[in-house]
Amino acid sequence: GAGVSQSPRYKVAKRGQDVALRCDPISGHVSLFWYQQALGQGPEFLTYFQNEAQLDKSGLPSDRFFAERPEGSVSTLKIQRTQQEDSAVYLCASSLIQARINTEAFFGQGTRLTVV
Amino acid sequence: DQQVKQNSPSLSVQEGRISILNCDYTNSMFDYFLWYKKYPAEGPTFLISISSIKDKNEDGRFTVFLNKSAKHLSLHIVPSQPGDSAVYFCAASDGGTSYGKLTFGQGTILTVHP
Repeated sequence: GAGVSQSPRYKVAKRGQDVALRCDPISGHVSLFWYQQALGQGPEFLTYFQNEAQLDKSGLPSDRFFAERPEGSVSTLKIQRTQQEDSAVYLCASSLIQARINTEAFFGQGTRLTVV
Repeated sequence: DQQVKQNSPSLSVQEGRISILNCDYTNSMFDYFLWYKKYPAEGPTFLISISSIKDKNEDGRFTVFLNKSAKHLSLHIVPSQPGDSAVYFCAASDGGTSYGKLTFGQGTILTVHP
């Protein structure tokens, strides 16, 4: 597809269950970001990849959160032992280059995670 | 601590009138500001931006104003159209990072009535 694709669009998990969220960035895009958006809030930075290298994971809220991008394209955000406070929309964004001023980052539609 | 704040959760405007969305920030390291628009069930899309060396940037119906001394920026939409109804997020980029990491405000829901 032409845009950033995220799957699944919706995920309901029981508390304690592990989940994996997938992001297919636009082909050839170097930079990839994950953001978490809680209900009624703006997106909050989780982590950043340049190709396969995870250069910043300062926003990951706990060691239950893990992200990877092993071949520099598709990325997976994994949450272990989910808790209710993990309920949020998880947004992925990609851009062609690594640039400090990035007006060309394209966001996916997000995955809405609900932990019950 | 909320480094970027949008204090108005919602704004309602009549079609053809001006919409003014406001944003305040606290981090002095922020040197580039962006506005994103988000429709339901879609990801945010980039709208307009401004560098801290400017105080105004205009793109068609959209103008962003920056007041660095007050750490305040605003987005003006003139004239407002029903298709502008969406959630608007203010975001800021920190001069200390090299890759476009953004800090977002909470968003303002704009409703433009026909």
